[in-house]
Amino acid sequence: DTAVSQTPKYLVTQMGNDKSIKCEQNLGHDTMYWYKQDSKKFLKIMFSYNNKELIINETVPNRFSPKSPDKAHLNLHINSLELGDSAVYFCASSRLGGAGTEAFFGQGTRLTVV
Amino acid sequence: GQQVMQIPQYQHVQEGEDFTTYCNSSTTLSNIQWYKQRPGGHPVFLIQLVKSGEVKKQKRLTFQFGEAKKNSSLHITATQTTDVGTYFCAAPEYGNKLVFGAGTILRVKS
Repeated sequence: DTAVSQTPKYLVTQMGNDKSIKCEQNLGHDTMYWYKQDSKKFLKIMFSYNNKELIINETVPNRFSPKSPDKAHLNLHINSLELGDSAVYFCASSRLGGAGTEAFFGQGTRLTVV
Repeated sequence: GQQVMQIPQYQHVQEGEDFTTYCNSSTTLSNIQWYKQRPGGHPVFLIQLVKSGEVKKQKRLTFQFGEAKKNSSLHITATQTTDVGTYFCAAPEYGNKLVFGAGTILRVKS
C-alpha cells in the first residue's frame, strides 16, 4: 500500500497546454503540500493545505491552482504551461504540519514542457 | 522568512571515508529534520531533532542539534556506495510550512 501516491509519474507536454497532477494519501494526515524540485535538486514549497484549506501559497504564478476535494487528496492544475515549469513536482503529507512530525513524499511527477 | 543554509553543495568521497553536511539558521529552530533522497527517488525522512544539544545515532549516521538550536549536522562514518544521494535538512516555519535546505549531493567512489 503506497502511503502517498501521485500520478502521473512522467508528463511530457507542449508549451501552452493545461495539465493536472493528482495526489492521494492514505495515512489519515491533515496536512498536504506541493513541492517543486529543480534541476539543482532544490526543494521549494509551493502550497500547503490543512484539512482542505489553503494555508500557504508561496509566490507561485496563478497559472498553478491546487485543489483539495477532501483532506486525503490534493491535486495540482497548471494552465498555459511554460518551459520553466519543467521540474519534478512532489506531493507530501504530514500529521501535524511542518512543526510536527515527518513529511511523507510521493514518488514525484517529472514534468517536461517542450 | 526563515532560511536554512546547507553546505556543502556537493561532496565526493572515497568509499570508507567520512562525510558531514551542515545546516545553519539565523533564527532559533523548534526542531530540525533530515531527509535522504536517492538518485531518481523521493525524499525519505531520516530523523527529527528537537532538544538543544541533542545527538542521535542511526548505525553509521550521527545527527546533532546545536546548543542554540540554530545549527545541525549529519555525519556518516565510513561511507558506502549505498549512501549516495542528496541529504536535506528541513525546519518548520509558520507552523505549517516545512522549509528545506539546498541539500548536499553525496557521491561515493568505490
